[in-house]
Amino acid sequence: ELKVEQNPLFLSMQEGKNYTIYCNYSTTSDRLYWYRQDPGKSLESLFVLLSNGAVKQEGRLMASLDTKARLSTLHITAAVHDLSATYFCAVDNTDKLIFGTGTRLQVFP
Amino acid sequence: DTAVSQTPKYLVTQMGNDKSIKCEQNLGHDTMYWYKQDSKKFLKIMFSYNNKELIINETVPNRFSPKSPDKAHLNLHINSLELGDSAVYFCASSPGTPFVFFGPGTRLTVL
Repeated sequence: ELKVEQNPLFLSMQEGKNYTIYCNYSTTSDRLYWYRQDPGKSLESLFVLLSNGAVKQEGRLMASLDTKARLSTLHITAAVHDLSATYFCAVDNTDKLIFGTGTRLQVFP
Repeated sequence: DTAVSQTPKYLVTQMGNDKSIKCEQNLGHDTMYWYKQDSKKFLKIMFSYNNKELIINETVPNRFSPKSPDKAHLNLHINSLELGDSAVYFCASSPGTPFVFFGPGTRLTVL
């Protein structure tokens, strides 16, 4: 059974700092997703990573995928308060998404 | 022009009742899903349909019955509601791998 683990579960960081969220998964997959969820809201797609070595960047967020290590990272550069949210990774497993536990990010001044 | 819509947004009901949640997508996608997000924010797939045909049924109690009258709609009917059914239910649709679009969610509270 495919398992997807994220760490950390909670992340409190100061504005301007950098940090990385890690997503490990247990079986082979070439498709990995990152979503953002604000409180009481739906899931907003951030990145779709489709191959080994894929790297995508949008603003202060950069995601990468290492399919051999079964690891994806979401790197936050110079955090700002607006990035406060819960971030989920998800792995495509036979056309269904298996989600990680989520990382609740809080950015403070 | 909402892409994936759900009704109602909030649903509060008593244990033992039967309720339905409706989902519609206007994206022309063939595949639709139901996901459940529990109180700890954990998300898990429940069902998927492709062009009105059930494809995935993930060990969900048979009190939950999805129905797809056409490929733009996927409704979720829940019989004999239990406290543990309280969660946020997300509908999603996809034109095919790798893109998945989520609806706004329905927060179900069972008292």
